[in-house]
Amino acid sequence: VQLVQSGAEVKKPETSVNVSCKVSGYNFIDSYIHWVRQAPGQGLEWMGRIHPNRGATNYAQRFQGRVTMTRDTSMNTAYMELTSLRSDDTAVYYCVRDDHFYGMDVWGQGTSVTVSS
Amino acid sequence: QSVLTQPPSASGTPGQRVSISCSKGSSNIGNNYVYWFQHLPGTAPKLLIYRNDQRPSGVPDRFSGFKSGTSASLAISGLRSEDEADYFCATWDDSLGGYVFGTGTKVSVL
Repeated sequence: VQLVQSGAEVKKPETSVNVSCKVSGYNFIDSYIHWVRQAPGQGLEWMGRIHPNRGATNYAQRFQGRVTMTRDTSMNTAYMELTSLRSDDTAVYYCVRDDHFYGMDVWGQGTSVTVSS
Repeated sequence: QSVLTQPPSASGTPGQRVSISCSKGSSNIGNNYVYWFQHLPGTAPKLLIYRNDQRPSGVPDRFSGFKSGTSASLAISGLRSEDEADYFCATWDDSLGGYVFGTGTKVSVL
C-alpha cells in the first residue's frame, strides 16, 4: 500500500493550492482518505476526509468554506484544495488512508506548502 | 486545533519505561477508539497503536496502549535511543464530527 503525494508548493497569500495523493496497492474506493497537516513547530491537525466510493466528505469546522476534497477513481487519486491561503497555512500536508479496522494506517510522504508574499 | 491534552515532554534513560497521557472528554475518548502515532522529524507519522491497545504488525511490544474512561495512555518500556520522537494520540470526536489529535509529546532518551 502506497500513497504518493504531489511535490512542494510555494504560494502567495489569497491564492489556492491543490495537493494530490495517488494510491496503489489496495482498492481505492474501499477506504476513507483523510487530510492532516502540521504547521512548523505545531502538532497534527485533521482537516477532513473523503470516501472515494461516492465522494462523501467531512470537513473540520475551521476549514469549512476554504477546503474542498475530491477524488478521481479512474486515477486512484484524491485531491485537497485549500483556498484563500494565509501565511499560517504554511505546513506539511499529509494524505492518510483509513483502514476500517486499523484506522489511519498508511500515510503519504507529505507535501510542503509555503505561503509567502 | 488540538482538543486532546498531552504532556509536552517525557524523558527517560535507556531501558526505562515512560508513559504519555492523553485526556479530554466523553464526546471523544470516552466513546471512541484511541490511536497513537510516532512522528520522527522529516518523515510521515507512523501508526503505533490502534483501537486503544492493539499493535499493528511490526510495532515492537515495548509499545503499549491503554484506555480508561475519558483518558488514554501510551507506555514505552525498555526505552531505546530510536524511540526519540514526537508522539500523538487521536480519536474521533462526536460533538465536532471529526478527528482530533493530541497536543503531542516529545520523548527524549537521556
